[in-house]
Parts: sequence; structure tokens; C-alpha cells
Amino acid sequence: KAGVTQTPRYLIKTRGQQVTLSCSPISGHRSVSWYQQTPGQGLQFLFEYFSETQRNKGNFPGRFSGRQFSNSRSEMNVSTLELGDSALYLCASRLIWDRGRGEQYFGPGTRLTVT
Amino acid sequence: DAKTTQPNSMESNEEEPVHLPCNHSTISGTDYIHWYRQLPSQGPEYVIHGLTSNVNNRMASLAIAEDRKSSTLILHRATLRDAAVYYCILMRAIQGAQKLVFGQGTRLTINP
Repeated sequence: KAGVTQTPRYLIKTRGQQVTLSCSPISGHRSVSWYQQTPGQGLQFLFEYFSETQRNKGNFPGRFSGRQFSNSRSEMNVSTLELGDSALYLCASRLIWDRGRGEQYFGPGTRLTVT
Repeated sequence: DAKTTQPNSMESNEEEPVHLPCNHSTISGTDYIHWYRQLPSQGPEYVIHGLTSNVNNRMASLAIAEDRKSSTLILHRATLRDAAVYYCILMRAIQGAQKLVFGQGTRLTINP
């Protein structure tokens, strides 16, 4: 079974531009979450999508948005990029819709550099 | 979000057991205890989780204190490939939604 895939793997953008990252979950997984990892802040939760609806959101500005498609694939968009948005963006998928039992499976991440 | 406390770093020798502690004194009755690890240049990887009872799987064991205010991840025979940052996380699902709140984790070094 293929794992979580993320595209692109590496990206360089300029301040003020916008970027869209893509995530394909493991087949059959319906929940997709996004995380940002930086050396200073560590791993931080961005949002979770299930059944094409945002279910949970972290403490990030409105420039960070996402969506999920009917096939569970998800995209994350960052508008008006800032230097501080340089980070590894990780996507995770899970199977179980329950009270916290489901393990999350992470992709390799997209390394975004903003210059 | 409920907070966990872990040592910043630990060191062990190859083929010896490793006990990674985690304190979570503010845990609530519905919080699951999850452990993830992140190997260099990879995304986090699920290790194990539990609620009240001790748990075993092919990767590790999880020992949970009777009052659930602390837990220990046990790697029975560490290998060099177990060198990673280990995160202890309390998971509380709200209306089915989950989020992983990562702390700084414990950086585990394995000596050959």
C-alpha cells in the first residue's frame, strides 16, 4: 500500500507570492492533517480535514488555508508569503474516526523556502 | 491543550533497553497517550498509543502509571536505527477531530 505522498518535495518562492502544496493520503484514509515544522517552533498543527470539511484548526493566520477533495486528497495554500513561512510542511492521514485512538501516518514533507 | 514533559535528550547503547519517560500530570480521562518518533530527514512515525493499560507492539512497549500522570516508552533492544526524536503526546478527539500537539520531544542517541 502506498504511503502518504506530498508534492512538490522542494519549493522556493519569493516574499509576497502564494504557494499551493498537495497531499495524497493513504488509500482509504479519509482524514488529512497539516503540520508546519521549523527549527524554532518545532512541529505545529495547522488544520485537519475530514469529508471535505475543516474539522480542527491551529493558531495560524488566515493566510494559511486548505481544502479537501472528494477523493480525500488535500491542498494547502499560503498567500502573501513571508520569510517566516520557510519551513517543512508535513501532511498526515489517518483511518479511524474515533475518540483519539487512530494513529496518523506522515508524508515526507514539502520543504518551502521563502526568499 | 494538555501538556507533556520529557527530558531534552537521552543516550543509550546498542542492544540495551531504553526507557523514555513522559510526565502528563494534567491528563484528562478521555486523553489517549500517543508516542511518535522522527528520524533524521523524515516525517514523524507512529510508535504506540494507550489509554489506561500497558501496551505492546512490534516496535515498543508503553507502560502507563496507575494514576495516568506519567508513562514510559520502552525500546527493548535499541538499534542504531532507533536514534530519533521521540514525542509523547496527549490526544483528545473533539467531535471526532484530532490534532497532535508536539512538544520538544526527547532526542535519543544510540551508541554503537
